[in-house]
Amino acid sequence: KAGVTQTPRYLIKTRGQQVTLSCSPISGHRSVSWYQQTPGQGLQFLFEYFSETQRNKGNFPGRFSGRQFSNSRSEMNVSTLELGDSALYLCASSSGQTWGSGANVLTFGAGSRLTVL
Amino acid sequence: TQLLEQSPQFLSIQEGENLTVYCNSSSVFSSLQWYRQEPGEGPVLLVTVVTGGEVKKLKRLTFQFGDARKDSSLHITAAQPGDTGLYLCAGVYDSWGKLQFGAGTQVVVTP
Repeated sequence: KAGVTQTPRYLIKTRGQQVTLSCSPISGHRSVSWYQQTPGQGLQFLFEYFSETQRNKGNFPGRFSGRQFSNSRSEMNVSTLELGDSALYLCASSSGQTWGSGANVLTFGAGSRLTVL
Repeated sequence: TQLLEQSPQFLSIQEGENLTVYCNSSSVFSSLQWYRQEPGEGPVLLVTVVTGGEVKKLKRLTFQFGDARKDSSLHITAAQPGDTGLYLCAGVYDSWGKLQFGAGTQVVVTP
């Protein structure tokens, strides 16, 4: 089955602009999580959406937002871009089951690499 | 906020050598996962451990979950160049919580 698809793969923006990233999860998966990966901070959790509702949220400013559509596709938006927002943004989909069952598995996309100039 | 600490940050070894990567937390994990990430790709799940004291083997990789569920280790026997990558541990502290990642261990295996 098709994996997690993220678009675009690469993009360059300037400070103050905004950006929208898209993620198409594995068919049947209802949970989509977003992570920011930088060399200094590693993988930082942004938010998770499950059945169109934000279920978990990380410690990022309000400039970072997301949403999920009825077909489970998700978008994240970053407004008023800053230089420090340059990163690899990873999306992961899963069935959304409880972690304690051991059955919840994140499948990651290849990421969207954002460069802010 | 709970913190996951991974050590070492970087490992460079020769083909055929063994290596161990550690993941520690001051809090109890509900479950813990190990991922490997290669350049230009997203992380790929290697294993999930749930029960304290659990040991899982995946070919030459052995994963241990501490009895108290606060630490884990990944041991690679007779490393090969194909084992090169960024190894990430990720833990959850409650059943419906977010998956938090450690900073990762970059492993380089040279022929």
